[in-house]
Amino acid sequence: ETGVTQSPTHLIKTRGQQVTLRCSSQSGHNTVSWYQQALGQGPQFIFQYYREEENGRGNFPPRFSGLQFPNYSSELNVNALELDDSALYLCASSLAGGGEQYFGPGTRLTVT
Amino acid sequence: GIQVEQSPPDLILQEGANSTLRCNFSDSVNNLQWFHQNPWGQLINLFYIPSGTKQNGRLSATTVATERYSLLYISSSQTTDSGVYFCAALSATYSGGGADGLTFGKGTHLIIQP
Repeated sequence: ETGVTQSPTHLIKTRGQQVTLRCSSQSGHNTVSWYQQALGQGPQFIFQYYREEENGRGNFPPRFSGLQFPNYSSELNVNALELDDSALYLCASSLAGGGEQYFGPGTRLTVT
Repeated sequence: GIQVEQSPPDLILQEGANSTLRCNFSDSVNNLQWFHQNPWGQLINLFYIPSGTKQNGRLSATTVATERYSLLYISSSQTTDSGVYFCAALSATYSGGGADGLTFGKGTHLIIQP
């Protein structure tokens, strides 16, 4: 059984740029959720994708967007990067319906 | 939305000691998970426990859904148990549009000294 993977591991961007983060879900899981974890805080829910559509969103602005592909992998895109976007971005996969979520190793984004 | 509170925020113990971490939540839940976050940021699943009691080696967890709390027990602590422990919950009564994500507490930072 393949676990959740994310790429890249680390990323440094400049304020105003755009970034794309990638996630491959665990084998057999059809739902992907993205979270942002600022330093010293718990992760915060960004959005969830199921059947290639966004089906739930936390309190994040529209410049945070995503995609899900037919193989259930997913991308998180952030436009017009701000310094406060510096964080660890975590992807989790699960079966639809609120089941147990399994997390990837994360992508650490630094915005300068 | 659901509120999740963890206590204590910090805990320092000697190797071999036992510990109890608490998680209070403000609503009925469909999902309650405990995680251990390692120094590299990886969230390791410990328990999926919306109700009842589970044990896995030196770790066990109990969720009393009717009283809206969960406890994580660590027995005979080892230095490798150090790190941040998170509780996360998914509300059963979420009424917003679409699906909801896990709401995390602020974590308990556990340090096990040799």
